[in-house]
Amino acid sequence: KAGVTQTPRYLIKTRGQQVTLSCSPISGHRSVSWYQQTPGQGLQFLFEYFSETQRNKGNFPGRFSGRQFSNSRSEMNVSTLELGDSALYLCASSLGQGPVTQYFGPGTRLTVL
Amino acid sequence: DQQVKQNSPSLSVQEGRISILNCDYTNSMFDYFLWYKKYPAEGPTFLISISSIKDKNEDGRFTVFLNKSAKHLSLHIVPSQPGDSAVYFCAARDTGANSKLTFGKGITLSVRP
Repeated sequence: KAGVTQTPRYLIKTRGQQVTLSCSPISGHRSVSWYQQTPGQGLQFLFEYFSETQRNKGNFPGRFSGRQFSNSRSEMNVSTLELGDSALYLCASSLGQGPVTQYFGPGTRLTVL
Repeated sequence: DQQVKQNSPSLSVQEGRISILNCDYTNSMFDYFLWYKKYPAEGPTFLISISSIKDKNEDGRFTVFLNKSAKHLSLHIVPSQPGDSAVYFCAARDTGANSKLTFGKGITLSVRP
């Protein structure tokens, strides 16, 4: 079974631009979560989607948004990029919600210049 | 306020010996704990998990111990191998219908040949 895939793997943007990242979960998984990893803060939870609905949201500004499609694929969008948004963005999928294991994709490395 | 703490940033052990990675948490609502291993430029890889109703879970060379009264868990790797050298993250989920994981900042394990 294929793992979680994320596209693109690398991205370079400039301040003020917006970016859309994509995540395809493991087949059959309906829950998708997004995390931001930075050297200083570790992995920080962004949001979780289940059955096309946002179920949980972390402490990030409204510039960070996401959505999930009927096939469970998910996208996250960051508008008005700031230098501090440079990070590795990780997507994780799981069968459902609750105490189940999340499986991570390879991440998208975003650099904001 | 960091709810999952990995106080030692790094650990170095000799090949063949035991590696013990520690993790402390403060949120008594956490009910499911996971350990992930991460190589540079890759997403975290799931290693082992434990539910709060258990105090030990074993999978091959990896054993996780949970001490709920001390709010402490540890990952034991026996015997340690050079390929185990990576960053190890402890993560926890709190009760409720969501899949949000709270991560520690990670421990860099180096296994010397």
